[in-house]
Amino acid sequence: GESVGLHLPTLSVQEGDNSIINCAYSNSASDYFIWYKQESGKGPQFIIDIRSNMDKRQGQRVTVLLNKTVKHLSLQIAATQPGDSAVYFCAENTGAGGSYIPTFGRGTSLIVHP
Amino acid sequence: EPEVTQTPSHQVTQMGQEVILRCVPISNHLYFYWYRQILGQKVEFLVSFYNNEISEKSEIFDDQFSVERPDGSNFTLKIRSTKLEDSAMYFCASADRGKEKLFFGSGTQLSVL
Repeated sequence: GESVGLHLPTLSVQEGDNSIINCAYSNSASDYFIWYKQESGKGPQFIIDIRSNMDKRQGQRVTVLLNKTVKHLSLQIAATQPGDSAVYFCAENTGAGGSYIPTFGRGTSLIVHP
Repeated sequence: EPEVTQTPSHQVTQMGQEVILRCVPISNHLYFYWYRQILGQKVEFLVSFYNNEISEKSEIFDDQFSVERPDGSNFTLKIRSTKLEDSAMYFCASADRGKEKLFFGSGTQLSVL
């Protein structure tokens, strides 16, 4: 079956460093990708999304890169802060008929050391 | 900022019992979802709901599960006869007309003993 997965289960960084979280997807037909952040005891929180007709999208301190050739997605966080510590999930839309059903990967735990 | 509200935050039940998990989506949203997350695992899609009917459901969402929007504000997930493996964090989510951006609640931790 086709799935979304993550390369690194845990990423530790120093405060102020840049963080890069990677994700591989296998469904070449996927046209929409989302990054979610999940803090302890909370539900996933939308961070940023990107459509397959783009290769880069920037938000506030975050950038998502999409490489369709190798089916790879990454989330870059600039100047990482302790408040960025969380589990990060990439998700792809698997909805049919125009619906949007995010299918989540396993997640990467980002630990930011002060 | 509007948010999705879920109650209770924790639910403990005996195997075989029925449970109802409750959610109040954001008021002007049109699309509603249930997901679950078993401890340490990924967030799994259960069901989506639009226009008072199920839009899509996963293999997990079998005959023991049902959803309902009994009034204009609540969205519920019922598990008729709980099993040990139903123990998980259950998240409700909603989206507005644009569909794409889901807002998740903080979840209900269900423990089946």
